[in-house]
Amino acid sequence: NAGVTQTPKFQVLKTGQSMTLQCAQDMNHEYMSWYRQDPGMGLRLIHYSVGAGITDQGEVPNGYNVSRSTTEDFPLRLLSAAPSQTSVYFCASSRGTAGELFFGEGSRLTVL
Amino acid sequence: SQKIEQNSEALNIQEGKTATLTCNYTNYSPAYLQWYRQDPGRGPVFLLLIRENEKEKRKERLKVTFDTTLKQSLFHITASQPADSATYLCALAGGRGGGNKLTFGTGTQLKVEL
Repeated sequence: NAGVTQTPKFQVLKTGQSMTLQCAQDMNHEYMSWYRQDPGMGLRLIHYSVGAGITDQGEVPNGYNVSRSTTEDFPLRLLSAAPSQTSVYFCASSRGTAGELFFGEGSRLTVL
Repeated sequence: SQKIEQNSEALNIQEGKTATLTCNYTNYSPAYLQWYRQDPGRGPVFLLLIRENEKEKRKERLKVTFDTTLKQSLFHITASQPADSATYLCALAGGRGGGNKLTFGTGTQLKVEL
């Protein structure tokens, strides 16, 4: 099993550009989530989904969009990148909302 | 608002000793608490989960306690090894105010020296 796969691993954007961070899992997990990790701030929840077609906001959702059309995929969209979105992004999945999270390897995004 | 505190200073211990990491929380009554390990440049890896009605849980050299009165969890690594050097994160969810969201602390870096 590949587990949770994130692409790209590294990305540099200019302010105002848009992009999508991809996340796919092959464990048939219902719950998927996106976190960002910044120095001294820990992991902060951006958006999460409890199943296909269902998404909800986390702690820091502004500037990000998500959708969940399939169980496997949970892309994170930045519509107009800002320097404050420079961070490491982690996608995670779990069997249920109370289960252990399986994390991807992260996507390091720099916005100039 | 909910707050989770982990010691931001690195913990340095000698090989073979027991490492004890602390996770304190306020304004929260979580249903369960999890501990994760994170190595540099990698995603966090799940270690242990303990529920609010459990006092202690063990897995090999790892032990977690959960005191809902003190609002504190302690994470112990016995017979520590240099390979245990990493950042350890606690996370809470469920219960009153938690819902489906797993909230993480900032983590404590552990360094095990020879």
